[in-house]
Formats: sequence, structure tokens, C-alpha cells
Amino acid sequence: EPEVTQTPSHQVTQMGQEVILRCVPISNHLYFYWYRQILGQKVEFLVSFYNNEISEKSEIFDDQFSVERPDGSNFTLKIRSTKLEDSAMYFCASRDWTDNYGYTFGSGTRLTVV
Amino acid sequence: KQEVTQIPAALSVPEGENLVLNCSFTDSAIYNLQWFRQDPGKGLTSLLLIQSSQREQTSGRLNASLDKSSGRSTLYIAASQPGDSATYLCAVKRVDSSYKLIFGSGTRLLVRP
Repeated sequence: EPEVTQTPSHQVTQMGQEVILRCVPISNHLYFYWYRQILGQKVEFLVSFYNNEISEKSEIFDDQFSVERPDGSNFTLKIRSTKLEDSAMYFCASRDWTDNYGYTFGSGTRLTVV
Repeated sequence: KQEVTQIPAALSVPEGENLVLNCSFTDSAIYNLQWFRQDPGKGLTSLLLIQSSQREQTSGRLNASLDKSSGRSTLYIAASQPGDSATYLCAVKRVDSSYKLIFGSGTRLLVRP
């Protein structure tokens, strides 16, 4: 069964450093997403991406965040200057154009900012 | 603003029991609803997707129902097994131009051998 692949599975970074979280969505999917889950809290939407541009973003997705699909297969989330409160599990998701099968999520990247 | 609530927050049952997890949402204008399973520290595994025009979906021992007018969905697990122990999340997608899923806080299920 096709999977969404995320790397790394766990990243520890110092406050103020830049991090890039990587995702390989399912190959024939057209819509891409990043969500995050702070420990003990709900999964919350960050950004959606379609046709090489952001479709929608949440209030969380401020100027410190950016997304990119650099080569037609990878989908990245960059945090320019990490804060302690960015520590969370970050999930990438994708879906096809029909939305008949729902969203497929990756296994997540646990980001720890120290 | 769409709010999604899941009750109960936690549930502990003996193996073999049939159980029902509840999900409610405040705005009935949804496009679809999806149930996920999350194991501790892991990703989200899709279990069932119900489109707004459907009343239920079944996969193996799982059955999900949707009542849009009352803003409710239930996930029924038959003959529960210890391997079913996980957190179950429901998420709704709105009918407007929003591309996002809105998640509930989940029900943490423990099935005791």
C-alpha cells in the first residue's frame, strides 16, 4: 500500500536554529499538508499546498514557517528560527484529487527544541 | 467555527467486548469525516472515511456511522482485542473552500487481556 514517508523520525535542535522536515507524499497525490501535534494536544492544521502554492494556512503558520516542493517528489517544511514552543510531532499528509480515499498521513517527525 | 469533540476521553474494556466511540461536531456542513488510529508516539493510520452522503462504512470489525443532521459519528469496534489498544481520532472536512481537517482530541482505548 502506498505510504507517505517522513524524515527524520526524530530531530533535536537548539533554539534559534533552522530545521527542515522532509516528506515524500504518495506519487499520484496532488494535495499536500503539514499538521502538528503538541504533546497531549489535538492534531492541528498548519498549511495546505496545491499546484505549487499555498492553498491555506493557519494562524500558527507565521513568517518563521515555509513550505516547498523542490523537485516534484519531496515536500518540505522549514522553520527558520525554532522556538521552544515549536517542539511537537509534525505530520505530513497527502490526498488525491478526488478525495474519495481521504488523507494519508506519514509517521511523523518528532521535533524537540532545546 | 467547527469544533470536534470525542467522548469518552479514555476507555478501558476487557478483551472481547463490543464498544462504541463517539465523535460530535458543531457544524453539520461537512464534506466528509475520517476516523484514524494513533499508536503512542506514532503517525495516524486511516481507518474509515465516510462521505457526507453516506450513513456508514465498514471495514472488518470496524463500523463507522454518520448522522450529519445531529452532528454525530460513532465508531463501533466488535470483539475488541488487545491489539486494538490505541488512540482513536475523528476528523471532519468542511464543505467550504477550506482544505483542512479539524480533529477531535481522541479517545484513548485500552483493551485488557
